[in-house]
Amino acid sequence: RKEVEQDPGPFNVPEGATVAFNCTYSNSASQSFFWYRQDCRKEPKLLMSVYSSGNEDGRFTAQLNRASQYISLLIRDSKLSDSATYLCVVNRGVNYGGSQGNLIFGKGTKLSVKP
Amino acid sequence: DGGITQSPKYLFRKEGQNVTLSCEQNLNHDAMYWYRQDPGQGLRLIYYSQIVNDFQKGDIAEGYSVSREKKESFPLTVTSAQKNPTAFYLCASGGGQGLQNEQFFGPGTRLTVL
Repeated sequence: RKEVEQDPGPFNVPEGATVAFNCTYSNSASQSFFWYRQDCRKEPKLLMSVYSSGNEDGRFTAQLNRASQYISLLIRDSKLSDSATYLCVVNRGVNYGGSQGNLIFGKGTKLSVKP
Repeated sequence: DGGITQSPKYLFRKEGQNVTLSCEQNLNHDAMYWYRQDPGQGLRLIYYSQIVNDFQKGDIAEGYSVSREKKESFPLTVTSAQKNPTAFYLCASGGGQGLQNEQFFGPGTRLTVL
C-alpha cells in the first residue's frame, strides 16, 4: 500500500457543483493530517488541517476516519477559482525511523471547474 | 511581510556544475525543509533541519548538500553528483515536530540542466 494514495483525477465539474476527494494513508501511527492546494507551476498552500472531529472552513469540509485510515475533502458550491490540484498530506508518525513530524505528500487530485 | 523567499525563480545549469539555491524565512520557524517535485509526482524530501547547525537526510539526499548556519537560512546545493537534477525545488518551514507541524512553502526554484 502506498504511504498516501489519492485518485489523480481529473475531476471536471460545473460551477456550483459539490465535489469530494478521498485519500488513504498507510501508517496507523500518523497523527497530523492536512489538505494543501497547488496551482499549476506554483508552490503548495495550506488549505486546512484535518481534525478527528471533522472541521469546516466556509465551503470546505474535511473529515478523518482513523479506523479506515481515510481522509476526505468536500467542496460545496464550486467556483472557477477552485480549479487546482489538491494534495493530501499526513505526518510520518512514530514508526518512522527519522522524524515523526515529517510530512508525506500524496501526488494530488486535479480539479477543473468549468463555467 | 512574513514569509519564505527562494531565489532564483529559474536557474539553468550546465552538466557538471554545482549550483546553490537560496531559501530564507522570517517566520521564526525552527524547522526547514527541501523538497523536489517532478511532473506528475508528489513532493519528495531531500533534507530537513529542525534546529540551527543540525540537519538530516531525507528520502533522496544523494547528490545534494545543505547547511543551517542561521535560523533564517537553509541553502541547498545541487552537486554534479546528482544524476537527474532538473526539477522544481521547494523550500518549506514549519514549527517543528509537534502536532502543529504545518509547513509553509516558498515560491520554488525551477532548475533546468542543459
